[in-house]
Amino acid sequence: SYGLTQPLSVSVALGQTARITCGGDNIGSKNVHWYQKKTGQAPVLVICRGTERPSGIPERFSGSNSGNTATLTINGAQGGDEADYYCQVWHTSAVFFGAGTKLTVL
Amino acid sequence: EAQLVESGGGLVRPGGSLRLSCVTSGFAFGSYGMDWVRQSLGKGLEWVAAINVAGDYLHYADSVKGRFTISRDDSGNTLYLQMNNVRDDDTAVYYCARPDIKGASVGAFDIWGQGTLVTVSS
Repeated sequence: SYGLTQPLSVSVALGQTARITCGGDNIGSKNVHWYQKKTGQAPVLVICRGTERPSGIPERFSGSNSGNTATLTINGAQGGDEADYYCQVWHTSAVFFGAGTKLTVL
Repeated sequence: EAQLVESGGGLVRPGGSLRLSCVTSGFAFGSYGMDWVRQSLGKGLEWVAAINVAGDYLHYADSVKGRFTISRDDSGNTLYLQMNNVRDDDTAVYYCARPDIKGASVGAFDIWGQGTLVTVSS
């Protein structure tokens, strides 16, 4: 098993920077992927392999990963960014998701 | 455009069986591993199972090991999840998901279906 720790919720003022963390043992050595999940919709990959932004994802989404913490950063958060965000890794033949962070844009 | 369409969900009694299907289109299904991921109401995402390109590398979450079986039919571009001896806590929306790298059975899931709801209840 591999535990991933995310804050339950993060709030950010409209237009400001939101940071969502994902903690795990030596997570900096792993490929971390981030998903945006809105109610009733399929998850959307927003960052892969720690720092890569898939085609079609706005530049305000970025990622970093070092030591025991991976971070998803949303610069200039918009109302449409309100969602649950999940980190994900592959570890010893299994996939693990964090419990998810609810992002509120005020 | 790559698409995944799940079906087969519904109401099933505890201890019963159900088979989910995921019909794919718009990409070379036979060149990709595939996965199932689920989400229970009000809870987070949970990985369920993975299958590689050849169909001989199968991995399962501990919560479903021995009860669920993932398989694929490359001639029909379809992924399956056979669910046996289901339990109340298997109630969830089940998604099929495609890793973004050819040949990998896991990785970043860049394509997802819309999900199919499985409800386990007596």
